[in-house]
Amino acid sequence: EVQLVESGGGLVKPGGSLRLSCAASGFTFSNAWMSWVRQAPGKGLEWVGRIKSKTDGGTTDYAAPVKGRFTISRDDSKNTLYLQMNSLKTEDTAVYYCTTEIEGADAFDIWGQGTMVTVSS
Amino acid sequence: DIQMTQSPSSLSASVGDRVTITCRASQSISSYLNWYQQKPGKAPKLLIYAASSLQSGVPSRFSGSGSGTDFTLTISSLQPEDFATYYCQQSYSTRSAFGGGTKVEIK
Repeated sequence: EVQLVESGGGLVKPGGSLRLSCAASGFTFSNAWMSWVRQAPGKGLEWVGRIKSKTDGGTTDYAAPVKGRFTISRDDSKNTLYLQMNSLKTEDTAVYYCTTEIEGADAFDIWGQGTMVTVSS
Repeated sequence: DIQMTQSPSSLSASVGDRVTITCRASQSISSYLNWYQQKPGKAPKLLIYAASSLQSGVPSRFSGSGSGTDFTLTISSLQPEDFATYYCQQSYSTRSAFGGGTKVEIK
């Protein structure tokens, strides 16, 4: 079964750091371009960033609000995606989803269940 | 960066109604436009990719059209399970983006 499972969410103070993980199974993780998408409470979806597969260069891209504060990485030996979040702000409070496309359609066809991050003093 | 604008932001409709949601890109994105459905507390679900291709397992009452900057999602006959929020997403540029969403509510 194709599956993405996020973990690592929680409560953190403004200025703090948190690392999210996303465990993948049921597909060839090393070939996948992986993304993070977030959703603030009661708000819409916001693309956070993406990491390409190592065979495609392994490069990353980020949305403007998180660039310089968030870092996406991957460990293909563990089939795991990471999101390192530093200098967190209250506006980073959201459910964070990892997602990917495995059918080559340039669309997110597989999603995790999400993990909640709350930034509050 | 490319901005995506959806309209309306919400609508009320009855079971059996034909529903149309529009999405406009701030610049041409060819056909790199996807549609998702999200229900409360759940992850989004892909409905339409490449503007008009139906994702496997999605009912045929859902359809998409458009290219360039203007796109449409149509539900031909609204069913009870279709009450949800719908989002468009562009996959044309390096930095993707979603529209603001359209909440479809029961009239």
